[in-house]
Amino acid sequence: DADVTQTPRNRITKTGKRIMLECSQTKGHDRMYWYRQDPGLGLQLIYYSFDVKDINKGEISDGYSVSRQAQAKFSLSLESAIPNQTALYFCATSDSGRGYTFGSGTRLTVV
Amino acid sequence: DAKTTQPTSMDCAEGRAANLPCNHSTISGNEYVYWYRQIHSQGPQYIIHGLKNNETNEMASLIITEDRKSSTLILPHATLRDTAVYYCIVGMNTGFQKLVFGTGTRLLVSP
Repeated sequence: DADVTQTPRNRITKTGKRIMLECSQTKGHDRMYWYRQDPGLGLQLIYYSFDVKDINKGEISDGYSVSRQAQAKFSLSLESAIPNQTALYFCATSDSGRGYTFGSGTRLTVV
Repeated sequence: DAKTTQPTSMDCAEGRAANLPCNHSTISGNEYVYWYRQIHSQGPQYIIHGLKNNETNEMASLIITEDRKSSTLILPHATLRDTAVYYCIVGMNTGFQKLVFGTGTRLLVSP
């Protein structure tokens, strides 16, 4: 099993729909992150969490919300999806010693 | 966070060493240099990181200049599977690691 698992892998949804992307990890890390990547561009930070009781906005949090249900689970919601939220979404974890471990990504298309 | 500058793209022949440069002239004394790579649309993969000494692991070597304003990632014997986008990032090694991903260097390894 992967250290960081994202579901679903691919999703097509309609404009205005609410959608949730889920992330779970077996690394035992406290820190979790959600990033977005648009074609040909780098990663942009949406939200991050130090631990279950700590949630922080990243660079592009508008239109998104998150929930840290447990140390191992961090979900990202799009309250009312719009086409310019079509992108590749990555969840990641980290500890203080090394860098990030990323999931395989969720490809989201909003039509 | 310090910003980095990398060439947009580089080519390398299979079996030869790939040397990927990165400038980070505004790096602060307690910031580390991290390297990640992203193969196609997979999640970024951690490669190596360092503070001021040169580092080597099973994947690559990292050479940091004495003034720490630039570094070079070395893949000693590039293979076709090393074709990817390589990101050079600076960030703290303790506490929250808000790693800022730029657009990286697209490395193409050819037969």
